[in-house]
Amino acid sequence: DAKTTQPNSMESNEEEPVHLPCNHSTISGTDYIHWYRQLPSQGPEYVIHGLTSNVNNRMASLAIAEDRKSSTLILHRATLRDAAVYYCILRGNAGGTSYGKLTFGQGTILTVHP
Amino acid sequence: NAGVMQNPRHLVRRRGQEARLRCSPMKGHSHVYWYRQLPEEGLKFMVYLQKENIIDESGMPKERFSAEFPKEGPSILRIQQVVRGDSAAYFCASSPVTDSEAFFGQGTRLTVV
Repeated sequence: DAKTTQPNSMESNEEEPVHLPCNHSTISGTDYIHWYRQLPSQGPEYVIHGLTSNVNNRMASLAIAEDRKSSTLILHRATLRDAAVYYCILRGNAGGTSYGKLTFGQGTILTVHP
Repeated sequence: NAGVMQNPRHLVRRRGQEARLRCSPMKGHSHVYWYRQLPEEGLKFMVYLQKENIIDESGMPKERFSAEFPKEGPSILRIQQVVRGDSAAYFCASSPVTDSEAFFGQGTRLTVV
């Protein structure tokens, strides 16, 4: 499986933007970049995903480097409810190196201060 | 459209008993994934199924664990002769295709006493 590297932890203040980085230097051309988060005592929750272009949805934005070897999840205004473990995962379709399953790493523990 | 439904939410079994965990995927989703999360640890992939077929079971322990996703009905993760080390949260996820977003259930928390 293609590997991702994330910082172990990050901190933010409420109402401020948060930029969560992810390196994936071995990404293949068919791999999508997915972000999930897991709040305490809950199942993982889909946040956003993209292939080449930057993506926006109601939860966050995803900025993808031109060479696709890194990406950044952007939470525009952090709230206390955004405190969670954030996972950056590569996921591909048939023939890619990350076909089907999501392989979770250690993720980034985000702490949000009031 | 209801989300991924897992039941039971909590399950207590004595050592040596069988545990059956159920997962009903979202409507229209034919891909199901099972994950295990031990206390204070990360999510570990167990098995990937697509209607009646096991696609990838590389994360399944070789003994006592099995999974199925029949043509009709929920996906079942079955653990025979449970041991204390099986105590964990088991999460199921579903997706419509392999490279789209996956949706997770709230998990089944298995406690073996």
